[in-house]
Amino acid sequence: QVQLVQSGSELKKPGASVAVSCKASGYTFTNYAINWMRQAPGQGLEWMGWINTKTGNPTYAQGFTGRFVFSWDTSVSTAYLQISSLKAEDTAVYYCGRDEYGGRSKLDYWGQGSLVTVSS
Amino acid sequence: QSALTQPPSVSGSPGQSVTISCTGTNSDVGAYDRVSWYQQPPDTAPKLLIYEVSNRPSGVPDRFSGSKSGNTASLIISGLQAEDEADYYCCSYTSSRTYVFGTGTKVTVL
Repeated sequence: QVQLVQSGSELKKPGASVAVSCKASGYTFTNYAINWMRQAPGQGLEWMGWINTKTGNPTYAQGFTGRFVFSWDTSVSTAYLQISSLKAEDTAVYYCGRDEYGGRSKLDYWGQGSLVTVSS
Repeated sequence: QSALTQPPSVSGSPGQSVTISCTGTNSDVGAYDRVSWYQQPPDTAPKLLIYEVSNRPSGVPDRFSGSKSGNTASLIISGLQAEDEADYYCCSYTSSRTYVFGTGTKVTVL
């Protein structure tokens, strides 16, 4: 069965970096894009962008350029989100979601979420 | 890209129908039939309910349906059940080749 399994919770200090992983199984990894979403405590979902798992080409939403980097490793069917120079406002649950290519807006499988807490 | 506008909350009694609106612009909701809806119970990852305006993935009850008119998409929950209590989000493809989510709606079953 299709699964996206994310890495665990992280507690980081301001200015540090963090990496969140999203391991796919149950399907051919490169046949679907991986999208990343953020949900701050008590807030709604924000679309951060996506990575083309065939080519590794990332696309970032406004507000998620510079400190946010999407990467992938097809050999282990895993996508990664790296956030550098962490700020308190980066505290959130980060989700990965699988999507068909072509912008069909069909995020049919999601990871369980990874909580990143930024606090001194 | 501004978030799509949804009502903060809707409520209904068991068995009733509720409708959640999702208003965008002619650069997102109005431009494409690529609107999806997600259900998010507390402390749980979102789940796909509707894609491409009105299509249901297998396993989603037919109590959930979607439609669109102009720049506004709608999710209709018929025969409301206690287990439908959750947050609901719409999402649309945009002319910038990005996605944008709605502000979210909390559904309460009275």
